[in-house]
Amino acid sequence: GAGVSQTPSNKVTEKGKYVELRCDPISGHTALYWYRQSLGQGPEFLIYFQGTGAADDSGLPNDRFFAVRPEGSVSTLKIQRTERGDSAVYLCASSMGRDNEQFFGPGTRLTVL
Amino acid sequence: AQSVAQPEDQVNVAEGNPLTVKCTYSVSGNPYLFWYVQYPNRGLQFLLKYITGDNLVKGSYGFEAEFNKSQTSFHLKKPSALVSDSALYFCAVRDRRGQAGTALIFGKGTTLSVSS
Repeated sequence: GAGVSQTPSNKVTEKGKYVELRCDPISGHTALYWYRQSLGQGPEFLIYFQGTGAADDSGLPNDRFFAVRPEGSVSTLKIQRTERGDSAVYLCASSMGRDNEQFFGPGTRLTVL
Repeated sequence: AQSVAQPEDQVNVAEGNPLTVKCTYSVSGNPYLFWYVQYPNRGLQFLLKYITGDNLVKGSYGFEAEFNKSQTSFHLKKPSALVSDSALYFCAVRDRRGQAGTALIFGKGTTLSVSS
């Protein structure tokens, strides 16, 4: 079946702009995660959804970052007033449940100029 | 603090030789450990996991990992390396401290280079 998909694959924006990154998880997966991967580093956790609700948002760096999953499937990560330090690859993952392995999408490479 | 360490930035092996990619962890309680592989311009792919049970875990593409509680290690191994195994490998542990106890903490990654 289809894996986790993310759009766009690349996003270039200017400092101060607003961006939205989309994640389409594997069908039937109730758990959805967002991670951020900076160059030369491993992914860092941002937020976890179980169904429609954010069960753990402890990784969001500040209030410029927000994510939603209104129908328990597709999720959107929203970043307001982007800064150059937000440049990274944003990864989405989904799993069948909290105890199962996570399957990752190809990521969105965000560049803030 | 819970963490994962991958002490080698790069591992070089010749095709056909055994390979080991090292990982050590620091967690409270019993660890849930994972290995992922990342190919250029592609997402992370799950290789294997240790939750409980046998210390030797077998995974995808002929990889296996050995959980060693006394040494707090979870090294990734393969008996005979292939050039196509060349990629970036990440060790991860489940962060059970968090609000939902399910996020993964990743190491910095180890680049495996297999020469023909």
